[in-house]
Amino acid sequence: QVQLQESGPGLVKPSQTLSLTCTVSGGSISSGSYYWSWIRQPAGKGLEWIGRIYTSGSTNYNPSLKSRVTISVDTSKNQFSLKLSSVTAADTAVYYCARAHSPGIASHWGQGTLVTVSS
Amino acid sequence: SSELTQDPAVSVALGQTVRITCQGDSLRSYYASWYQQKPGQAPVLVIYGKNNRPSGIPDRFSGSSSGNTASLTITGAQAEDEADYYCNSRDSSGNSEVFGGGTKLTVL
Repeated sequence: QVQLQESGPGLVKPSQTLSLTCTVSGGSISSGSYYWSWIRQPAGKGLEWIGRIYTSGSTNYNPSLKSRVTISVDTSKNQFSLKLSSVTAADTAVYYCARAHSPGIASHWGQGTLVTVSS
Repeated sequence: SSELTQDPAVSVALGQTVRITCQGDSLRSYYASWYQQKPGQAPVLVIYGKNNRPSGIPDRFSGSSSGNTASLTITGAQAEDEADYYCNSRDSSGNSEVFGGGTKLTVL
């Protein structure tokens, strides 16, 4: 059974870059045809799709975040990562990583990690 | 603003049937997926595609679509179904995804 686990700093200063990693266990990140995604949720609010990277390496991003987001894969570590630059308090949220077998069909999620943007 | 629109809150009596809807232009071209989220937990996929349930999801959950509206129906709602429900689909460009604003379901 595939499991995902987010990790990274829980506190990031404004204007800096938020960096998170999702470690995949129970399966190889480079096998099969999957979309490895990041989703976030501010406290008390709804889900926001951030972006995804396909097994082939192609990426798609939320247009509203595209200029600040980079998603990449490290097959040697069986991980994929999120970088969000120039963060503000509005980027404070629980960040989830997920695996989808088709766009929008995410059957496996990490437990989520809270990132707070504050000086 | 979200390109998928959901009612913020819906309630249903225990054992009755409830339908949660999601509206958006992209739904004319793409199916919606539905996620259930309980407080403090990650979302769980409950319906995807035309009307598919992942393993372990009770058959009281079903999905349908017509025009620009996707629906999640719970037939015989149980107390444990009380949660937030989110629809998800591609955006109008087809290149990215979008979530609806979510519907808080209360089981009375």
